Amino acid sequence: DAGITQSPRHKVTETGTPVTLRCHQTENHRYMYWYRQDPGHGLRLIHYSYGVKDTDKGEVSDGYSVSRSKTEDFLLTLESATSSQTSVYFCAISEVGYYYEQYFGPGTRLTVT
Amino acid sequence: SQQGEEDPQALSIQEGENATMNCSYKTSINNLQWYRQNSGRGLVHLILIRSNEREKHSGRLRVTLDTSKKSSSLLITASRAADTASYFCATDVRETSGSRLTFGEGTQLTVNP
Repeated sequence: DAGITQSPRHKVTETGTPVTLRCHQTENHRYMYWYRQDPGHGLRLIHYSYGVKDTDKGEVSDGYSVSRSKTEDFLLTLESATSSQTSVYFCAISEVGYYYEQYFGPGTRLTVT
Repeated sequence: SQQGEEDPQALSIQEGENATMNCSYKTSINNLQWYRQNSGRGLVHLILIRSNEREKHSGRLRVTLDTSKKSSSLLITASRAADTASYFCATDVRETSGSRLTFGEGTQLTVNP
């Protein structure tokens, strides 16, 4: 998985609790992305980062926030988890830009009860 | 709405046969990419074809791009059981809200031994 780790790999949480997912890369790539994957929707971009402290919204950003204080780490936070945020979350990185090859982490399966 | 849509949604073939998957998209692109996802894993980049290219090969993979028809195909020759996976096409989208790589919902390929 191209030097990308995600933690935790599985999480079950209750509605209303905050949740933070972590993506860590060892490739020193500039761009990092958070996607969610749901049946019937494919992969959808939540947020992305184009450098340290530089982030922007994706297609489905409501209810999510991100932070990137170091090149290697990109955090995704659900401030108050809802059942609709039950999904598999993937982190990805790319060296050049969003429309070049992206390398994906192994995913985090999040269940909100 | 999805920029890239794969067809068929599911494909089942015998080992040794060829598998063809198609992708259609709606707006002009810089390039088109194909990814593979094994069950429970992250996506793996297979091949990128630029908008000024018509065909590209990588091992047993052959990708074609027809920008006039806004379509691409992925051909896997001499398929193996290990090729069983979901295959996604991805294209870049530029919208007023920003730019991103957008994925279709994928074709589920099953190669029977």
